[in-house]
Amino acid sequence: EVLLVQSGAEVIKPGESLQISCQGSGYTFSRYWIAWLRQRPGEGLEWMGMTYSGDSDTRYGPSFQGQVTISADTSINTAYLQWSSLKASDTAMYYCARVRGFYFDYWGQGTLVTVSS
Amino acid sequence: DVQMTQSPSTLSASVGDRVTIDCRASQSVSTYLAWYQQKPGKAPKLLIYQASTLETGVPSRFSGSGSGTEFTLTISSLQPDDFGTYYCQQYNNYVLTFGQGTKLEIK
Repeated sequence: EVLLVQSGAEVIKPGESLQISCQGSGYTFSRYWIAWLRQRPGEGLEWMGMTYSGDSDTRYGPSFQGQVTISADTSINTAYLQWSSLKASDTAMYYCARVRGFYFDYWGQGTLVTVSS
Repeated sequence: DVQMTQSPSTLSASVGDRVTIDCRASQSVSTYLAWYQQKPGKAPKLLIYQASTLETGVPSRFSGSGSGTEFTLTISSLQPDDFGTYYCQQYNNYVLTFGQGTKLEIK
């Protein structure tokens, strides 16, 4: 069974850094892209970017280039989404998802990030 | 970026109704179009990919059609469990984009 398990909810102050994670199991992690998607409260889905851990190729959506860092560690089947300085506008649910043919076939349960002073 | 526009934004229908949700792309995406269902507080679920291919395990009352810029998701006979928000997503362009969503409510 394919599973993506994300790290727990975070409450962070503006300006702080953060890394959240997504661990895959039940498939060969290094053979698939893993994407990160954002969903702000009451809003739709936005693709942030994705990484292919087999060769470390990483792509970002235009709105997220330079704002976040996506990476992966194939030794522990885990992908990461990192911010160096969070803003209130980063408050959202973040999902990781396995990419198949550039659509998303399996999703993590989501990580709620709340940025508040 | 390819802009995806769904209609309607909200929809209320009765059990047994035939329901259609439209998705329009700002430029041709061929058949590189997927549909997802999201229930409140849950991650989205893949329903259809390649515009018309049903994902394994998805009930056959769901179907997709279209190509180029015009696509439709159809639920042939609405069931109580079909409430939620539906999203289309194009993957023809390397910048992957979603429609704004259609919220489906059961009367």
